[in-house]
Amino acid sequence: ETGVTQTPRHLVMGMTNKKSLKCEQHLGHNAMYWYKQSAKKPLELMFVYNFKEQTENNSVPSRFSPECPNSSHLFLHLHTLQPEDSALYLCASSQEQGSNEKLFFGSGTQLSVL
Amino acid sequence: GENVEQHPSTLSVQEGDSAVIKCTYSDSASNYFPWYKQELGKRPQLIIDIRSNVGEKKDQRIAVTLNKTAKHFSLHITETQPEDSAVYFCAARHTSGTYKYIFGTGTRLKVLA
Repeated sequence: ETGVTQTPRHLVMGMTNKKSLKCEQHLGHNAMYWYKQSAKKPLELMFVYNFKEQTENNSVPSRFSPECPNSSHLFLHLHTLQPEDSALYLCASSQEQGSNEKLFFGSGTQLSVL
Repeated sequence: GENVEQHPSTLSVQEGDSAVIKCTYSDSASNYFPWYKQELGKRPQLIIDIRSNVGEKKDQRIAVTLNKTAKHFSLHITETQPEDSAVYFCAARHTSGTYKYIFGTGTRLKVLA
């Protein structure tokens, strides 16, 4: 599967660490997303980028910092996280033109904050 | 605010039986409704979607129905097989000028052999 690739697949970090999640899409899409998936909760939209411009910041704490250097790459920089931030972080992409806006997900990064 | 309610949260069916999962959305401007299947440890994958100008769509054993008036849409799986066991998510989206998909809380489907 090479559509949307996320690294690392698993990450364990302490509350004082700084780490980054990486996402790359090979589908030629122009929009990229970060979602948080916690147990027994809906998928929570965190950030949306369209053509590298951030179009949505869903009231996410500043300890999460996104970066989108180009339309194929998306990062999520993490610092001073809390244990409640432990979750599966999913990247997604879509093509926001015409009527073909299907959302494609990566495999996610399972994050544990100790 | 906008939300999507999904029921049931868990569903067990015998192999060969049908399964139905229902969602209700709040934003009447929503006009695109995808369904995702997520197997354990894997990414959510789109299995079927429907637009608001259509009442029903079918793809082999999977079908989706939409009632715009009631703001309900449902996923129907017929002749269920063990490999249908997964978590299923519905979503709703207003496709004009926003990139916001609102997801339901998911339904864990178990198909018993």
